[in-house]
Amino acid sequence: SAVISQKPSRDICQRGTSLTIQCQVDSQVTMMFWYRQQPGQSLTLIATANQGSEATYESGFVIDKFPISRPNLTFSTLTVSNMSPEDSSIYLCSVEAPRDTQYFGPGTRLTVL
Amino acid sequence: GQQLNQSPQSMFIQEGEDVSMNCTSSSIFNTWLWYKQEPGEGPVLLIALYKAGELTSNGRLTAQFGITRKDSFLNISASIPSDVGIYFCAGHYGYALNFGKGTSLLVTP
Repeated sequence: SAVISQKPSRDICQRGTSLTIQCQVDSQVTMMFWYRQQPGQSLTLIATANQGSEATYESGFVIDKFPISRPNLTFSTLTVSNMSPEDSSIYLCSVEAPRDTQYFGPGTRLTVL
Repeated sequence: GQQLNQSPQSMFIQEGEDVSMNCTSSSIFNTWLWYKQEPGEGPVLLIALYKAGELTSNGRLTAQFGITRKDSFLNISASIPSDVGIYFCAGHYGYALNFGKGTSLLVTP
């Protein structure tokens, strides 16, 4: 299985600022995904990131708020822009794995004050 | 994505007891997955199911893909304290996963 790391593991940010989260995989993958997990809630897909193309955003998520980069087959970033306390969540990246499964990173725990 | 209804929302049991949780959907899935998330970690895949009626085990865990393809259940036998965590069902659609709301499991020694 792929080994996925995320940076930072946690952060506390001020309202109105932006945070960029990094996701690194130890092998090349075509599809990477970004999820949000609000406190005590399930995982909600933000967007799918393919190398060499624009990210595909799910309903309710927009590029201006959550810009994503995918410069190569092992790396992606998610930026949470102009943050408010409602953005306090765990942000998880994942990668496609064989037979419709996904492997997940450890998550980035974001608190916005 | 399609709404997945997972129950129960939480369970508080004694070590040694068996546990059962289930997930239902209004839509058909071709793949059902069960993940476990421990505090401070990302979800870890436990079991994957690909055929209606399929019954698959992973140690003390057993999961089944419902005949209608709209439901799945997960059983944990003889629970131990390290089973503590949140268990999520997920249905695969297109290229992505749709997750249930999770079952929080607490096990007392």
